[in-house]
Amino acid sequence: NAGVMQNPRHLVRRRGQEARLRCSPMKGHSHVYWYRQLPEEGLKFMVYLQKENIIDESGMPKERFSAEFPKEGPSILRIQQVVRGDSAAYFCASSPQGKLSNQPQHFGDGTRLSIL
Amino acid sequence: AQSVSQHNHHVILSEAASLELGCNYSYGGTVNLFWYVQYPGQHLQLLLKYFSGDPLVKGIKGFEAEFIKSKFSFNLRKPSVQWSDTAEYFCAVNKGGGGADGLTFGKGTHLIIQP
Repeated sequence: NAGVMQNPRHLVRRRGQEARLRCSPMKGHSHVYWYRQLPEEGLKFMVYLQKENIIDESGMPKERFSAEFPKEGPSILRIQQVVRGDSAAYFCASSPQGKLSNQPQHFGDGTRLSIL
Repeated sequence: AQSVSQHNHHVILSEAASLELGCNYSYGGTVNLFWYVQYPGQHLQLLLKYFSGDPLVKGIKGFEAEFIKSKFSFNLRKPSVQWSDTAEYFCAVNKGGGGADGLTFGKGTHLIIQP
């Protein structure tokens, strides 16, 4: 059990539908990161959030993708009007509260998104 | 922006062989360096990390890595591999010096250990 909980583990959508991926960070962690892994590629940073704030979204596509981390509940990565190219594994990571970047990130099991 | 290069995409070794996986990064400032491992069907796990201090860091399961600043390298080593080390290995970096930051990953090295 990684401690970072992602669901669903697998998600199948048809082109044009919406995909919602959820991530609950480890207990006591208030920083959440989303990454995307395409086949045969390393993980690519998408967005970094703290509670109710997007800190860095430099890796997020400008259209169709959004992320939130509300005061209560999990972080959500939302992909609208999905296309085949969105098929990938999406990983969430969390780290403890703190100002130092040397807090290691702990990863969830990922959500495998398949677009038909 | 940072980038990370892992030289070998696939490595095949026999049990008890020594291992060295290369990792180079490009960034002019202070960095934190990480190696993560992903066993088949599992999540990424932290093997070891370098923040500052002794450039030779020891991690779990007998792995170690050496930070050579002049070469912008952070190679992973293990003197004697086991079949259970078969996995995907990722080198990653983020900016040091304070302020939490997303990680930049290499493309990974798929390591296969033959019994």
